[in-house]
Amino acid sequence: EDQVTQSPEALRLQEGESSSLNCSYTVSGLRGLFWYRQDPGKGPEFLFTLYSAGEEKEKERLKATLTKKESFLHITAPKPEDSATYLCAVRETSGSRLTFGEGTQLTVNP
Amino acid sequence: DARVTQTPRDKVTEMGQEVTMRCQPILGHNTVFWYRQTMMQGLELLAYFRNRAPLDDSGMPKDRFSAEMPDATLATLKIQPSEPRDSAVYFCASVLGRYTEAFFGQGTRLTVV
Repeated sequence: EDQVTQSPEALRLQEGESSSLNCSYTVSGLRGLFWYRQDPGKGPEFLFTLYSAGEEKEKERLKATLTKKESFLHITAPKPEDSATYLCAVRETSGSRLTFGEGTQLTVNP
Repeated sequence: DARVTQTPRDKVTEMGQEVTMRCQPILGHNTVFWYRQTMMQGLELLAYFRNRAPLDDSGMPKDRFSAEMPDATLATLKIQPSEPRDSAVYFCASVLGRYTEAFFGQGTRLTVV
């Protein structure tokens, strides 16, 4: 059974203080690792897809990386508007099932 | 601006009542997911469809939950009878193709009292 574990559960940063979120996964055959951002009262918003180990994607202050066992979401010089819950999900080879981790709640203080 | 539309946004109902949630996927997307989100469980997959056919509904309590896609523009999730433990936010998401990203609706917040 696919498993996705995110850490830490919660993270508080000062504005400008860079850090990383972790997503560890166990899947029979990876057909995509997805990062989403979720704001309170809203649905998850797609950020990145990574398909193979070594791949990296960037968007503004966010950079996602992938190895064979985990993915990192690096946040460089975060701003208060980056505060949200960040979710990681994996899709495995045999089907379209998309399995999510529990998320990391990020708070960036001004 | 293509988006997944869910109705209603909020629903308060009494225990034992039937609840129907609706989802309009993005036009052309052929895979539709239903998820339930609670503080305790995170995002929990209930069921998903491809080309309107149910592929997996193992996450749903079979005795009270049912999911259907009457046509390509409408997916429904029904709970009958509803129970307080069903209180959660229910999300629908749709995907173009098999391995690309899923786009989520804004969710239906269900409260069963």
